[in-house]
Amino acid sequence: AQKITQTQPGMFVQEKEAVTLDCTYDTSDQSYGLFWYKQPSSGEMIFLIYQGSYDEQNATEGRYSLNFQKARKSANLVISASQLGDSAMYFCAMREARVRGGSYIPTFGRGTSLIVHP
Amino acid sequence: NAGVTQTPKFQVLKTGQSMTLQCAQDMNHNSMYWYRQDPGMGLRLIYYSASEGTTDKGEVPNGYNVSRLNKREFSLRLESAAPSQTSVYFCASSKHRDLSYEQYFGPGTRLTVT
Repeated sequence: AQKITQTQPGMFVQEKEAVTLDCTYDTSDQSYGLFWYKQPSSGEMIFLIYQGSYDEQNATEGRYSLNFQKARKSANLVISASQLGDSAMYFCAMREARVRGGSYIPTFGRGTSLIVHP
Repeated sequence: NAGVTQTPKFQVLKTGQSMTLQCAQDMNHNSMYWYRQDPGMGLRLIYYSASEGTTDKGEVPNGYNVSRLNKREFSLRLESAAPSQTSVYFCASSKHRDLSYEQYFGPGTRLTVT
């Protein structure tokens, strides 16, 4: 079973509109961290936003916010006022508080491709 | 500040050839990782190193070996390349045992095996 599920292979949004990218996760741990990364066509991976499992408020970073629903095990990324430069692949990832070999190993979803239309 | 650097950026190999992908970070991170990215598969962990002197297998280690040369450098070796290893390879680094700390990624190496 996948630990991170991103069900939308591709999404389209009009410039200046908001868009939500879905992410659900599977863990039995109480302590974990959730991350979103952006990968533009140039290929680099860019960290966007982090949400801890004990954080009571949804994380926000500029135009990015994370809609964290713990009971539903979902961590959706909301991008407000989309820009053409937001066109990219977006990956959701989770780190569980289980030490493997001395490290917390993150698991990545398969990604969602977002295209912003002018 | 260079962050995470990888060499080479592109490489074409013939089946059976060997090569080493180099990775270095200048952020004093303990943990380093090698991923491969294939279309529709996201990032899959090949090997990781929690600290200097230790390495562990990830999800897809077959056909690869790694060396953690020192705290800065973590290399990935393909001893006998196969077409199934055609992929984009990313190196990443992170703080040790910090759930909230993000990973920093290198620019990637696009490898084609013919």
